Amino acid sequence: QQQVKQSPQSLIVQKGGISIINCAYENTAFDYFPWYQQFPGKGPALLIAIRPDVSEKKEGRFTISFNKSAKQFSLHIMDSQPGDSATYFCAASYLIQGTLTFGKGTMLLVSP
Amino acid sequence: KAGVTQTPRYLIKTRGQQVTLSCSPISGHRSVSWYQQTPGQGLQFLFEYFSETQRNKGNFPGRFSGRQFSNSRSEMNVSTLELGDSALYLCASSAPGQGYNEQFFGPGTRLTVL
Repeated sequence: QQQVKQSPQSLIVQKGGISIINCAYENTAFDYFPWYQQFPGKGPALLIAIRPDVSEKKEGRFTISFNKSAKQFSLHIMDSQPGDSATYFCAASYLIQGTLTFGKGTMLLVSP
Repeated sequence: KAGVTQTPRYLIKTRGQQVTLSCSPISGHRSVSWYQQTPGQGLQFLFEYFSETQRNKGNFPGRFSGRQFSNSRSEMNVSTLELGDSALYLCASSAPGQGYNEQFFGPGTRLTVL
């Protein structure tokens, strides 16, 4: 049973545009929602994370929006750059400890 | 601080063989988790070790096992390899209890089973 659903599977965005990736979770006990960025041949790297007591968190060009009632959260990449081309994974977990449950990933291509 | 290191980076084995993968966590991190990444199934949790004890286990057959040493280094073993075990095996370390459940991944070991 997939507990974190991620969409879209792939995304093409023009340079300077906004990339939006969405995730939905089922387990209401989750209280930690990180996003990871993975380049080919590398392990996933923690990008940004949010707790459900806030609705939005921004770090540079990356913003997480969180909707607790809808059990959804999304990643927005503003002013997307070719260097952002990578696979992005959302995940859910418990705040202090626990395994990460990952979405299936979104392959982002930012065209020059 | 050095990141998570995994050895070897690449492995080629044949069906029926066994393999051992190694992971050295970030200094001071006592929790090590292992994940399997495949194009079809994505990232799937294998097991987590904390202070030499397996704390959580994913839904994988008993051919997959692991252990953690007193210096927090961890190994995972896969016995009787099957073609479907071909995957990128990722190790992640974290420091539970120090705030958030931030897990930091190594570069992975690419296992190919022929």
